[in-house]
Amino acid sequence: DTEVTQTPKHLVMGMTNKKSLKCEQHMGHRAMYWYKQKAKKPPELMFVYSYEKLSINESVPSRFSPECPNSSLLNLHLHALQPEDSALYLCASSPIKDSMNTEAFFGQGTRLTVV
Amino acid sequence: AQKITQTQPGMFVQEKEAVTLDCTYDTSDPSYGLFWYKQPSSGEMIFLIYQGSYDQQNATEGRYSLNFQKARKSANLVISASQLGDSAMYFCAMREVNAGNNRKLIWGLGTSLAVNP
Repeated sequence: DTEVTQTPKHLVMGMTNKKSLKCEQHMGHRAMYWYKQKAKKPPELMFVYSYEKLSINESVPSRFSPECPNSSLLNLHLHALQPEDSALYLCASSPIKDSMNTEAFFGQGTRLTVV
Repeated sequence: AQKITQTQPGMFVQEKEAVTLDCTYDTSDPSYGLFWYKQPSSGEMIFLIYQGSYDQQNATEGRYSLNFQKARKSANLVISASQLGDSAMYFCAMREVNAGNNRKLIWGLGTSLAVNP
C-alpha cells in the first residue's frame, strides 16, 4: 500500500473559522511533510516532522498549526486564515534513510478556499 | 545555494511522439539526488524517476528516461511515445541536505506539457 490519504479533498472556510486538514499513511514512513502550492507554481515546504517531532518550520505564520499525533497521522490546524492562504495543501511522507534517493510520496491534496 | 531551473514553461507534443523536458541544476555538493514528478490537474504529485549523482547509468522507468549529463549539470526527462494522459505539469526537484541534516526538496518552476491527439 503506497498511499497517502488526505481529507477533505475540498474545503471552503471563512476567515473566522477553525478547521483541520488530515493526512494518513500506512507505509511506515517516519518523515511527513506539509506543502502549500499556488496554481501553476511549485510546492512550498511548510513543515517537516521526523519521528513525530517537528524538525523544520519554514517560518510559517502561527495561524497554521501542525500536529503529528502518531507515526501514521499528520494534521494541519487552521485558524483565522486570510484569502491569500487559499491554495492546494499537499501532504507527503518518506522513509528516513541515510541516502539521497528517498522520494516523497504525496497525497492528492486539499484544495482550500478562504472566503 | 542549490537551484533547479526549468526553462520551458509550456510544451506541446503530438500523441505517440517523444518529448524532452529540460532541467538544469546548480549545487556544490558532490552527493545529490534528482527527481521528476508529474502533477495532473487533479493535484496529486506523482513520482516518476530518480537519478543519483553517483549513478553511472541514466535512470529509466518504463516510458520515462533521464538524460543525465553531470558535467553540464542537466537532468532532462525524456517521455517516449506520448499519451494523452501525459498532459500535466512536470517538476524537476533536487534533494538538499541542510545544516541540520534535514532533507528538503528544491523545486523547479515546472513545465506544463500538453499532448495533442
